[in-house]
This record gives sequence, structure tokens and C-alpha cells, in this order.
Amino acid sequence: DAGVTQSPTHLIKTRGQQVTLRCSPKSGHDTVSWYQQALGQGPQFIFQYYEEEERQRGNFPDRFSGHQFPNYSSELNVNALLLGDSALYLCASSSTRNTEAFFGQGTRLTVV
Amino acid sequence: AQSVSQHNHHVILSEAASLELGCNYSYGGTVNLFWYVQYPGQHLQLLLKYFSGDPLVKGIKGFEAEFIKSKFSFNLRKPSVQWSDTAEYFCAVNPLSGGYNKLIFGAGTRLAVHP
Repeated sequence: DAGVTQSPTHLIKTRGQQVTLRCSPKSGHDTVSWYQQALGQGPQFIFQYYEEEERQRGNFPDRFSGHQFPNYSSELNVNALLLGDSALYLCASSSTRNTEAFFGQGTRLTVV
Repeated sequence: AQSVSQHNHHVILSEAASLELGCNYSYGGTVNLFWYVQYPGQHLQLLLKYFSGDPLVKGIKGFEAEFIKSKFSFNLRKPSVQWSDTAEYFCAVNPLSGGYNKLIFGAGTRLAVHP
């Protein structure tokens, strides 16, 4: 049983560019949440998707957007990248029946 | 604003020493509480969780945590640490507003255990 998988594992982008990160949830999970973990900090909640809609959003600008597909996989898009967007981006999946969140290995984004 | 505070950013212990990591949160309503661990090069893994009932919860690898509602605390403990416990530990709170799964994390505590 595959856990939460994220791609790519590492990414280097230039300021002003756009990036798309991908996440496949754990089998049986229907909810996907995205977190940003800056160096030396805990993960910060970006937003959560359920039934292909954004259900909750943290304190992140509109440059951060997402999508959930019918197979429950999800994408995180960041436009107009800033140096400060450099971080580890974590995807977590859960189900409506069990609030325990399972995390992927993350995508390390470096903006230069 | 909802927040989680972890009191120690770095902890260094010798093997067999006892461990206690502090965690306090600011939210007056009902919460679910978690401790996650991140071993070097690995993903975040759930160590233990509290939803309701007995405030002393036991997790994997001999860890336990105590929920003290009056102090808004959920401290992690282990009587005798091992070298393999070297990792970063995160306390997280799910404020159950709206019934959604949203985790608010502390900044983490980096634990180094020396043999």
C-alpha cells in the first residue's frame, strides 16, 4: 500500500517563474492538505482540498493555488515566485472518517 | 491567533536519559493533539495522538504524552532515550472548528542523543 507520494523531490526555479507540485494521497484517503516548511520552522498550513474544492485556507497569498482531481490527487501551484518561497512543501492526506494525517516526503523548492 | 509553542529548540541527551519536551497551544475550544517525528532524511511520522478520554496517551517506541487541559499543554515524555531517537519532534494541534482537518505545528525540537 503506497503512502503519500510527492513529485518532484527537488526543484530549482528563478524568481518570477511559476511552479507546480504534485501529490498522490494514501490509498483510501479523500482529503489533501498542503503545508510549507521553511528552514528551522514547523510546517505552515497552506490549504486543504476535499471533493475537488478548496475547503480551508491558511494565511497565504493568492499566488498559491491548488487543484484536486477526481482520483483525489492534488497539485499546488505557486505563481510569481519569490526568494521567500524557498521551502519544503509537504502534502498530507487523510480521510473524513479518520483525522490522522499522513505526510509525504515533500518537495524541496529553491528559488534563486 | 491559534498557535503552538515548543519550549526547547535543541535538546542534547545521553542514552538512557529521560526526555520531556514541552508543548503549549493557544485555542480555547476542543482540539485534537499530535506529536510527529521526523527522522533524518525521512518524512513526518505520527508518534502519538490525543482525541479524547484518558489524558495520558501512549505512542510508538515507548513515547507517551500527557494532555493537561487547564494548562493547554501536551508534553511528550520517554523514560529512557536511545541513539535512534535522534530526530526532530513536532507538536501539532487540530482546532476542531468547522470539523476540518487542519494542523497547526510548533517550530519543532531537534533532539540529539549521544551514545
